[in-house]
Amino acid sequence: QVQLQESGPGLVKSSETLSLTCTVSGDSINIYYWSWIRQPPGKGLEWIGYMYYSGSTTYNPSLKSRVTFSVDTSKNQFSLKLTSVTAADTAVYYCARGLFAFDVWGQGTMVTVSS
Amino acid sequence: QSALTQPASVSGSPGQSITLSCTGTSSDVGGYNYVSWYQQHAGEAPKLMIYDVSNRPSGVSNRFSGSKSGDTASLTISGLQAEDEADYYCISYTSSSTLLFGGGTKLTVL
Repeated sequence: QVQLQESGPGLVKSSETLSLTCTVSGDSINIYYWSWIRQPPGKGLEWIGYMYYSGSTTYNPSLKSRVTFSVDTSKNQFSLKLTSVTAADTAVYYCARGLFAFDVWGQGTMVTVSS
Repeated sequence: QSALTQPASVSGSPGQSITLSCTGTSSDVGGYNYVSWYQQHAGEAPKLMIYDVSNRPSGVSNRFSGSKSGDTASLTISGLQAEDEADYYCISYTSSSTLLFGGGTKLTVL
């Protein structure tokens, strides 16, 4: 069965870059679309963007200037980089499988932006 | 882009049927049959309950059903159970090739 696991620092300093990786097990990354979603503490879900293994990406317009996705097919991983972070970027970050709907989710990883 | 509109909270008694709404525009909900619904229990990752407006993934109870009329999508839960108490989110594809979540609805089972 497919499993997703987010990894990366749980604490990032303000103005620096947040970097997370999602490792896919039980399936090939070369088939589906893959997405990132985040959820600030006590708030709702926010779609960050999706990508295909080929490297094509689409980002949330509100984050587009700061976000970059990448993929490493040899490791069956895809990654998120978010630059110039502020306290507003503090959230649980989820990776998920899918484009129009997300049928498999990682457990989520909490990232706190500190000043 | 403004979030899709969902009621902040809805409540119902065990056994009842309730309907959660998700209102957008012709550029998102009304324009595409790519609305999905997620259930999220506290401290857990969201779970896909409905995709493509009305399709139920394998393993999801048939008490959950989805529909759409105009710019509003709906999730109906019949035979409400205590375990259905959770937050529910809708999301839709948009004319900008992006996706947009609703603000979420907290469902309380009385």
